[in-house]
Amino acid sequence: KNQVEQSPQSLIILEGKNCTLQCNYTVSPFSNLRWYKQDTGRGPVSLTIMTFSENTKSNGRYTATLDADTKQSSLHITASQLSDSASYICVVGGRDTDKLIFGTGTRLQVFP
Amino acid sequence: DAGVIQSPRHEVTEMGQEVTLRCKPISGHNSLFWYRQTMMRGLELLIYFNNNVPIDDSGMPEDRFSAKMPNASFSTLKIQPSEPRDSAVYFCASSSQPGMGYEQYFGPGTRLTVT
Repeated sequence: KNQVEQSPQSLIILEGKNCTLQCNYTVSPFSNLRWYKQDTGRGPVSLTIMTFSENTKSNGRYTATLDADTKQSSLHITASQLSDSASYICVVGGRDTDKLIFGTGTRLQVFP
Repeated sequence: DAGVIQSPRHEVTEMGQEVTLRCKPISGHNSLFWYRQTMMRGLELLIYFNNNVPIDDSGMPEDRFSAKMPNASFSTLKIQPSEPRDSAVYFCASSSQPGMGYEQYFGPGTRLTVT
């Protein structure tokens, strides 16, 4: 069964610290993986999209990595800011099914 | 561009009533997606259109749900009759490319509460 699992479910860090969110998936064959940021009360906003041939992509202080062999991805946030408080959703696209499988997200809270 | 526009932002209705959610995609985008988000299940794709034609409606939970896209700039998601378990946030998203492999831009969502 195609699944996407994220960890941790929630995370609290202090402003200025770094953190890493994890995503494991079983979708096969794999086409692409994306990370979304969702602020409370808003729609998700894309941070990165990676195909199976890419193993890292950055967007400002956000860096996503992908290991297609182990079916793992991580999202690293550097020098966190209060505005990073949000849910981060990992989404995986399958190559044959043309469907997206969504993780349930990691809720990040950054405190001053 | 104003982005994807959804209305209403909040809807509270009683069980059994008809509910209509509306979406205006980004101008020039030819793919439109309807999603539902709950705490328990996260984001789920309900249906997606390409060039106003429904391509995949396998996520529509049951016959009480229907979606239309009469033209490139407007889509509706209707629930009739509504039930308390339909309470969720409904998102509309659009994309400039067909299929699920491209960037999708989400609207702000409609929070539906069915009592």
